[in-house]
Amino acid sequence: DSGVTQTPKHLITATGQRVTLRCSPRSGDLSVYWYQQSLDQGLQFLIQYYNGEERAKGNILERFSAQQFPDLHSELNLSSLELGDSALYFCASSVGLTSGRENIQYFGAGTRLSVL
Amino acid sequence: GQQLNQSPQSMFIQEGEDVSMNCTSSSIFNTWLWYKQDPGEGPVLLIALYKAGELTSNGRLTAQFGITRKDSFLNISASIPSDVGIYFCAGLPLTGGTSYGKLTFGQGTILTVHP
Repeated sequence: DSGVTQTPKHLITATGQRVTLRCSPRSGDLSVYWYQQSLDQGLQFLIQYYNGEERAKGNILERFSAQQFPDLHSELNLSSLELGDSALYFCASSVGLTSGRENIQYFGAGTRLSVL
Repeated sequence: GQQLNQSPQSMFIQEGEDVSMNCTSSSIFNTWLWYKQDPGEGPVLLIALYKAGELTSNGRLTAQFGITRKDSFLNISASIPSDVGIYFCAGLPLTGGTSYGKLTFGQGTILTVHP
């Protein structure tokens, strides 16, 4: 158990809908990262938050947004869903930002999103 | 952006054989990580490397941080069926200042072990 909790584990929805994925980081970790993993692709970095502030953006669509709350949990919002958004979405957390050891990311078990 | 080339893409081996995989980059990294992902699960950290030339073991797994800081290797000795999964390398860039911790992942190596 990595200590990173993601809910729900599975999500089935229809095109055009909006969903929210939730992540609770490991105790003491301030940084949260979101990744998308499609069937034929590796891990695609979406976005990172540190202590409530957005710090880095990757290949995140405009239809997607995220935030990190004062209690450090994070939510990833996916709207106007398309069939191609079906994927595994992972959250990871790390202690901080600077040194190598503080940047080691620990992953949750993921949310499997199926858009029908 | 930075790219990590991980090879091989897949491996089919017999139980008991040793396995080697590697990652190379055109950029310098200051930390190398190796993860394993089981089907339907999140990546699990296997080994972390922090210094050029560092050699670190975790049971039957051994990983090395390349001297040039642009590559890393993972070896698995005496493979067993539960070694099956996808192995990812990941690197933290050397940005010359405060790093935001944006990991760059390799494409993964799919390992199949035949009993």
